[in-house]
Amino acid sequence: AQSVTQPDIHITVSEGASLELRCNYSYGATPYLFWYVQSPGQGLQLLLKYFSGDTLVQGIKGFEAEFKRSQSSFNLRKPSVHWSDAAEYFCAVEGGSYIPTFGRGTSLIVHP
Amino acid sequence: DVKVTQSSRYLVKRTGEKVFLECVQDMDHENMFWYRQDPGLGLRLIYFSYDVKMKEKGDIPEGYSVSREKKERFSLILESASTNQTSMYLCASSPPTKNTEAFFGQGTRLTVV
Repeated sequence: AQSVTQPDIHITVSEGASLELRCNYSYGATPYLFWYVQSPGQGLQLLLKYFSGDTLVQGIKGFEAEFKRSQSSFNLRKPSVHWSDAAEYFCAVEGGSYIPTFGRGTSLIVHP
Repeated sequence: DVKVTQSSRYLVKRTGEKVFLECVQDMDHENMFWYRQDPGLGLRLIYFSYDVKMKEKGDIPEGYSVSREKKERFSLILESASTNQTSMYLCASSPPTKNTEAFFGQGTRLTVV
């Protein structure tokens, strides 16, 4: 079975500060990994995804994530946060079933 | 632009009513999903469909059923709505390939009173 853990329910950062959101997954083989963002009252939008190859992947809105097999992690980073980045962030894993499993989400709060 | 459309953004229903949540996608995707989103619990899969008239139970199917009569439409049915089904419901679709993400609708906020 596949699973995802996002250990931080809330993260608060100041505008302009760097950001790292944690994601740990459980899956027997190399998984397909995703980060999605959800603005208030909206559906989920894909930020980036990893399938194979380079372990550092770039996404939209200046986000990047690094796949670390040894740590079963896929942490999301951004060097400088903007107030518009305040949202809910979800990590997801997909094995061979085409069904993504989501973490519980991390709510990002940005202080001016 | 790809699109998944959920018929209602907000719904208020009474306990015991039969409720239909509709979802339509225009991307010719085989896979469609219904998730329920609650604070602190993330997205939990209710039902999944990989083809017309095909469906599989997800993690929390109790109290729900689904219908997929056409490829583009996937309906979630609450046979007898209860207050503990008050939630945000998200529909998604994806092609049957391992390198593609799911595309989500805007969500339906259902309140059962």
